Amino acid sequence: DIVMTQTPLSSPVILGQPASISCRSSQSLLHRDGNTYLSWHQQRPGQPPRLLIYQISNRFSGVPDRFSGSGAGTDFTLRISRVEAEDVAVYYCMQATQFPHSFGQGTKLDIK
Amino acid sequence: EVKLLESGGGLVQPGGSLRLSCAASGFIFDDYAMSWVRQAPGKGLEWVSAISGVALETHYSDSVRGRFTSSRDTSKNMVYLQMDSLRAEDTAIYYCVKYRGFYGKDFDYWGQGILVTVSS
Repeated sequence: DIVMTQTPLSSPVILGQPASISCRSSQSLLHRDGNTYLSWHQQRPGQPPRLLIYQISNRFSGVPDRFSGSGAGTDFTLRISRVEAEDVAVYYCMQATQFPHSFGQGTKLDIK
Repeated sequence: EVKLLESGGGLVQPGGSLRLSCAASGFIFDDYAMSWVRQAPGKGLEWVSAISGVALETHYSDSVRGRFTSSRDTSKNMVYLQMDSLRAEDTAIYYCVKYRGFYGKDFDYWGQGILVTVSS
């Protein structure tokens, strides 16, 4: 099974400043079909998760362009160019390249 | 607009059974795989199961395989999770999630979730 490891687990940030979260997989997430099924999900307090980024770097509908994703193989990064108050949340990376699908532990982003 | 509405949660005793339902709307149901993801109180997300479009394939996490069964009813646009031999560690919010494709790769839409509590 593929294990997803996120760092840091907690990230205090200053409003207006950038933030980044790393995610590493125990195996390459490159699928035989040529795609890499690594996604990022945001869970605000008291709410269900929602999709932010799919296939490493594709922003989902309605996601602000301050969110971006990058990476390849086993190392991936979510970046927020300028953190806003509404970005306070827990962020999860997820792999869907191989069953069983799996999530990282989550990274809690809060305001310093 | 895609909508996913879970129901069927509640309190059940250890060893008991419960069936969760997810009513889906706003998309061509047969064309998309569906999943269940759970979140224990104060914990992270755990992928539980996936069922492909028209139920050609099902997949389960090791923690539920042999106890949980996922199914879907095309005529009703419903997805189900039959949970048997429930344990205290199955206590969680269960989310119904839609995949972006037929066989289940990327997620796109999440439901609001339903709470399942396993306790005597």
